[in-house]
Amino acid sequence: EAGVAQSPRYKIIEKRQSVAFWCNPISGHATLYWYQQILGQGPKLLIQFQNNGVVDDSQLPKDRFSAERLKGVDSTLKIQPAKLEDSAVYLCASSYLEGAYEQYFGPGTRLTVT
Amino acid sequence: GNSVTQMEGPVTLSEEAFLTINCTYTATGYPSLFWYVQYPGEGLQLLLKATKADDKGSNKGFEATYRKETTSFHLEKGSVQVSDSAVYFCALSDYNQGGKLIFGQGTELSVKP
Repeated sequence: EAGVAQSPRYKIIEKRQSVAFWCNPISGHATLYWYQQILGQGPKLLIQFQNNGVVDDSQLPKDRFSAERLKGVDSTLKIQPAKLEDSAVYLCASSYLEGAYEQYFGPGTRLTVT
Repeated sequence: GNSVTQMEGPVTLSEEAFLTINCTYTATGYPSLFWYVQYPGEGLQLLLKATKADDKGSNKGFEATYRKETTSFHLEKGSVQVSDSAVYFCALSDYNQGGKLIFGQGTELSVKP
């Protein structure tokens, strides 16, 4: 089966610009996660969707980050405006259902903010 | 809140050496525990998991045992290979918190021939 797809793989922007990342989960997976991985750290959850509803966005900086999952399939994460500290790898993961099901990760998008 | 702490790297070993990467956790409930691996230039892959106390997860010669009494999930391998060079992440997931993964900071392993 096809894995989790993400695009773009790399993005370089200047601070105060906006950027968007796209994720297509594994077919049939109801739960979708966005994680932020800063260099030298473990991934940290930004937002979790169950179908097209938000389950957890407690760690999402809502003044600049937004995410949507229309129709409960693919998802977009946006940053506007970007700050230097947003430089990180943004990982998308999906699982069949929330809870104890295995999460499958995409290759990530490496964002550099200059 | 829930958290994971793992030993700092980098860890450098010679081929065929014994590997231990320590991981301890703090959790209010009964989490599942995981080891993920990130090879250079690749995404995160699940290496092994354990869902309850005293379970042993194993894969590709790696193993880890869920120790509730010491809140630990140490990763071990009897004989490492150059191809095991990667970053290893310990993580936990609590079903009652939606299943999100909470990761440790990662341990970089470098195996020399």
